[in-house]
Amino acid sequence: EDQVTQSPEALRLQEGESSSLNCSYTVSGLRGLFWYRQDPGKGPEFLFTLYSAGEEKEKERLKATLTKKESFLHITAPKPEDSATYLCAVNPVSNYQLIWGAGTKLIIKP
Amino acid sequence: SQTIHQWPATLVQPVGSPLSLECTVEGTSNPNLYWYRQAAGRGLQLLFYSVGIGQISSEVPQNLSASRPQDRQFILSSKKLLLSDSGFYLCAWRPPGQLYGYTFGSGTRLTVV
Repeated sequence: EDQVTQSPEALRLQEGESSSLNCSYTVSGLRGLFWYRQDPGKGPEFLFTLYSAGEEKEKERLKATLTKKESFLHITAPKPEDSATYLCAVNPVSNYQLIWGAGTKLIIKP
Repeated sequence: SQTIHQWPATLVQPVGSPLSLECTVEGTSNPNLYWYRQAAGRGLQLLFYSVGIGQISSEVPQNLSASRPQDRQFILSSKKLLLSDSGFYLCAWRPPGQLYGYTFGSGTRLTVV
């Protein structure tokens, strides 16, 4: 069964303290993996798409990486405005619908 | 540029009342359209998707239905709401047949009382 698991469920960091969020997946084949940011009471906002193992993408303080079994969202020197829930989703080759993880709630304290 | 509109932002409805949530997309044609529900602390649950006018696929059997009367309009409905229908409802779109990320609307917080 296709599955996506995100860890940790919540992560509290001090401003400037770098860390990583994990998204592990089990699918028969991967078309693509997506990262989203969601602020409270808002719809998810698209961040990155990764297609193949070894691929990396960056945006400001965020960098997403992909292996054959998992993806990491690295956050470098985070600021309080980076606080949000980060969602991961995969698109398996079996269809075009996304499979979503439950998200990691990131809290950055000033 | 493409935009997606979803309304209302919040809704409080009594049990047994009807529901109609609307979503429209601008700046594109023949989009794939999606309705998701998000429970607190849980992932997104796909409810319905549509690849064209009048074409609706249901992912989860439940008290809800969807319709697509126009190319860029997607409606989520219920004849009689249940307490369990409370949640955060999200509409999303993406270009047909393409591996792009979804673009989401701002969501509707539905509370059934």
